[in-house]
Amino acid sequence: GQQLNQSPQSMFIQEGEDVSMNCTSSSIFNTWLWYKQDPGEGPVLLIALYKAGELTSNGRLTAQFGITRKDSFLNISASIPSDVGIYFCAGHLVAGNMLTFGGGTRLMVKP
Amino acid sequence: ETGVTQTPRHLVMGMTNKKSLKCEQHLGHNAMYWYKQSAKKPLELMFVYSLEERVENNSVPSRFSPECPNSSHLFLHLHTLQPEDSALYLCASSQVLRGNYGYTFGSGTRLTVV
Repeated sequence: GQQLNQSPQSMFIQEGEDVSMNCTSSSIFNTWLWYKQDPGEGPVLLIALYKAGELTSNGRLTAQFGITRKDSFLNISASIPSDVGIYFCAGHLVAGNMLTFGGGTRLMVKP
Repeated sequence: ETGVTQTPRHLVMGMTNKKSLKCEQHLGHNAMYWYKQSAKKPLELMFVYSLEERVENNSVPSRFSPECPNSSHLFLHLHTLQPEDSALYLCASSQVLRGNYGYTFGSGTRLTVV
């Protein structure tokens, strides 16, 4: 299937620091989604992006749909211990209906 | 009940056992999915059902057998599994025909094969 390259694979940060992660692809996507998976649970949708250039916030989270439609980033400001988990990007290709998932970014926060 | 419910949450089974995982969605969605999530591996799509018909089978071994009796229920029947099949199995649903493409996931079944 199509590849979504998500980076970094893992991050270990101090509480209060800002976090940034991104996804890139060689293909054009018409939707970008960001999910968070808490330990032992299923992924939960955080932010959905539908237009190139769109910048959307959800509390301390901000995500952007890249202008080229081939990338997206997620920023978390002032991290707290409950931000710990795995963050997945996902996207819909222009002509497809199936979501493609990135490999995930494992975030660990040191109090 | 709301959202996507998976049962059981945890399952330990021997390699000769037969068991089934159950998924139920209360969102009125018309597509359902099974994913496998192993440690340190990305989400692996296993099966997709759209309007109760299987539309994708991602080269999954025959020891995994899905069943979708209606748009709200999805099962994964397991038999003669291997230890490497131990993983978190996630069910998801979506509304294929509308503009909202997000998947809603269940909490998963943590399967251990001994």
